[in-house]
Amino acid sequence: GIQVEQSPPDLILQEGANSTLRCNFSDSVNNLQWFHQNPWGQLINLFYIPSGTKQNGRLSATTVATERYSLLYISSSQTTDSGVYFCAPQARFSDSWGKLQFGAGTQVVVTP
Amino acid sequence: GAGVSQSPSNKVTEKGKDVELRCDPISGHTALYWYRQSLGQGLEFLIYFQGNSAPDKSGLPSDRFSAERTGGSVSTLTIQRTQQEDSAVYLCASSRSGTSGIYNEQFFGPGTRLTVL
Repeated sequence: GIQVEQSPPDLILQEGANSTLRCNFSDSVNNLQWFHQNPWGQLINLFYIPSGTKQNGRLSATTVATERYSLLYISSSQTTDSGVYFCAPQARFSDSWGKLQFGAGTQVVVTP
Repeated sequence: GAGVSQSPSNKVTEKGKDVELRCDPISGHTALYWYRQSLGQGLEFLIYFQGNSAPDKSGLPSDRFSAERTGGSVSTLTIQRTQQEDSAVYLCASSRSGTSGIYNEQFFGPGTRLTVL
């Protein structure tokens, strides 16, 4: 199956700082999703982004499918941004059935 | 409801007992996925339903695990003779369609935390 690598594994930010999270994947993808897992374990949809750039408030994401990577930008971070961020592409195999392949995640801690 | 719901939210069971976990997908979503999240393995796919059929069961870890979906809606994941390594959070997700090679955005439920003593 497709291999997914996220970096960095851990990130500590001071409130107000900006950061970039990276997701590399090993094969062609149909789609890619970014999630934020909050402290209660709920996976919150951030972006559904097979290619191009999208923005949602202080967050934005860019996927360059031809180069097999995606980036998540957090600007002016807030303590509520703390949690684990997952990248999850859907491989473009005929038998992938749209299942998501998750990376190990980036643990983000934003300090006041 | 507006989102994916799962029950129970927590389940504690003794080794060797059977458990059933339930998922109610978003209304109208024909595709349904089960995943689990454990400390050692991260988030991993278990099974995919399109309507009531399961074309991909490749992620089920053993024959103790089974799942069904009825009426193109509710799904139940059953684990027989539970083992301690089955302890994990079991997550369900649904999406609008999974036909003709079109796979849409998946939305997750809050999960069921299973603890096997």
